[in-house]
Amino acid sequence: ETGVTQSPTHLIKTRGQQVTLRCSSQSGHNTVSWYQQALGQGPQFIFQYYREEENGRGNFPPRFSGLQFPNYSSELNVNALELDDSALYLCASSPGTGTEAFFGQGTRLTVV
Amino acid sequence: RKEVEQDPGPFNVPEGATVAFNCTYSNSASQSFFWYRQDCRKEPKLLMSVYSSGNEDGRFTAQLNRASQYISLLIRDSKLSDSATYLCVVNWNDMRFGAGTRLTVKP
Repeated sequence: ETGVTQSPTHLIKTRGQQVTLRCSSQSGHNTVSWYQQALGQGPQFIFQYYREEENGRGNFPPRFSGLQFPNYSSELNVNALELDDSALYLCASSPGTGTEAFFGQGTRLTVV
Repeated sequence: RKEVEQDPGPFNVPEGATVAFNCTYSNSASQSFFWYRQDCRKEPKLLMSVYSSGNEDGRFTAQLNRASQYISLLIRDSKLSDSATYLCVVNWNDMRFGAGTRLTVKP
């Protein structure tokens, strides 16, 4: 158990809709990163939050956005869902940037 | 060039075999390095960090060559339970993952 929890675990949405995924980080961890993992691929970095500020972003369009709260939990929002957004979304928390990360169990999103 | 590249695999080996995975990275400013293990339809889990001096954890040995921007993982005496996908991870400000190498250990 990593102490990182994500909700929901599974979700089905229709193309064009919006979705919010949630992550509770491990106690004492101030850094949260989000990843998208398509079937058969490695996790792709979406963005990272450090102490409530965005601290790096991967090659994802602006319709992927996020927040980190004072308790260091985090949200990932995706607007205007596309079929290709279907994937496992992983949240990872770290005690700081540049350190090992611990993952939640992921949210499996299916866009139909 | 991809940020992190791994052997594509898959590797199919008998129990007891020794298997090695390789990984190269493009950003010379990378600061920390890891190997993660991912079981089917599960989240990645930290296997071990990789240090410049090399490090060992039981049957697992990791090596880092900064000059060549190369990381390796050696698994000795493979067990059935080692079957998984192994992900090479490189961190400069955030963690970047390779595509993973699938290992299947057979009886």
